[in-house]
Amino acid sequence: RKEVEQDPGPFNVPEGATVAFNCTYSNSASQSFFWYRQDCRKEPKLLMSVYSSGNEDGRFTAQLNRASQYISLLIRDSKLSDSATYLCVVNYNAGNMLTFGGGTRLMVKP
Amino acid sequence: EPEVTQTPSHQVTQMGQEVILRCVPISNHLYFYWYRQILGQKVEFLVSFYNNEISEKSEIFDDQFSVERPDGSNFTLKIRSTKLEDSAMYFCASSQQGGHNSPLHFGNGTRLTVT
Repeated sequence: RKEVEQDPGPFNVPEGATVAFNCTYSNSASQSFFWYRQDCRKEPKLLMSVYSSGNEDGRFTAQLNRASQYISLLIRDSKLSDSATYLCVVNYNAGNMLTFGGGTRLMVKP
Repeated sequence: EPEVTQTPSHQVTQMGQEVILRCVPISNHLYFYWYRQILGQKVEFLVSFYNNEISEKSEIFDDQFSVERPDGSNFTLKIRSTKLEDSAMYFCASSQQGGHNSPLHFGNGTRLTVT
């Protein structure tokens, strides 16, 4: 069974805080990994891909642990505009059939 | 930045009616997808389409569903006889290539309400 699990939150943090989200996936044959962001009633938007060596994009850092089947996203210096639902997404095959987690909701407060 | 566009933004239909959801993928993209998200639930894969045929489909994509690329720009999802449980947000997506490292670009969705 191909599942992606996330803590739904919400995570309520003050501006400037550092916050981390985790995600686990069930199928060890997974090909690629992503974090998407979804604002309320909007489409998912790609935030960043997640590479085996870990990668950073500005205030965002993603890590992948294949042995534990675990993905993380770290957001530093949170902004009000970071308030959204963060979706952990896994691609299990060579195509583009994405499996989405249920999302973790982040609320950044002034 | 080029976008995937979807119409209508909201469609209300009665149970048993046929609906067609329309999408215009990004012009140089070759791979097209439909996903759906029931309110409060996960985004779910429905179907992928390449070279005028279905590449993959999920268990959700049964005989009630069909996809078509009727011309060079549109990509449609038809639900033949809608059920209450088809009420959801339907997202079209496209990608330049079909490989797992080719990012998907999602449209802004069509909210389908079946009454």
